Amino acid sequence: GEDVEQSLFLSVREGDSSVINCTYTDSSSTYLYWYKQEPGAGLQLLTYIFSNMDMKQDQRLTVLLNKKDKHLSLRIADTQTGDSAIYFCAEGDSWGKFQFGAGTQVVVTP
Amino acid sequence: NAGVTQTPKFQVLKTGQSMTLQCAQDMNHEYMSWYRQDPGMGLRLIHYSVGAGITDQGEVPNGYNVSRSTTEDFPLRLLSAAPSQTSVYFCASSYHRGTMNTEAFFGQGTRLTVV
Repeated sequence: GEDVEQSLFLSVREGDSSVINCTYTDSSSTYLYWYKQEPGAGLQLLTYIFSNMDMKQDQRLTVLLNKKDKHLSLRIADTQTGDSAIYFCAEGDSWGKFQFGAGTQVVVTP
Repeated sequence: NAGVTQTPKFQVLKTGQSMTLQCAQDMNHEYMSWYRQDPGMGLRLIHYSVGAGITDQGEVPNGYNVSRSTTEDFPLRLLSAAPSQTSVYFCASSYHRGTMNTEAFFGQGTRLTVV
């Protein structure tokens, strides 16, 4: 999706924190999402944040939203090998349409 | 609930052939959509529907048709397959909570190769 940008690759050591960044362009988006895709599988919702929030924490996941800069980030604490996957940032409108970024491949090394 | 079910999981077509990718959801979701996933390009919206009888084009609709005769089903038709349509196709459904949309639930995908 050309309106949502994210870096394509991230390598992180097991036990460290991972931070995946995303920028979006549509200021009218009501929700912003992070999805995880494991090899050969569909997309699984990890977490989402409402556009009037700055931060959301859910166990090892922390989402930060800077609405002024249209910047979204996902922090994974204590990254595990099972966190290796592609992570997609997405913005959604009220009509059920989602705009996805190209995905960030996260590789966790021992 | 089975969620979103896509069939088939894999398909090989010859150039010029037509076929229908099936998608069904049992969550009574209003919204359904089809995406294609290509390396380095994320997911791109092909067609979507906001309810039975209502469909609209997404970002990359050419070469594809859809219809939505029931809430549950949203088939995607390839009219005359081309190698450029080699991709992984995902169907998704979502619903409103109050006045705002919520997350999309995805099927497991159909891997299509056109030779």
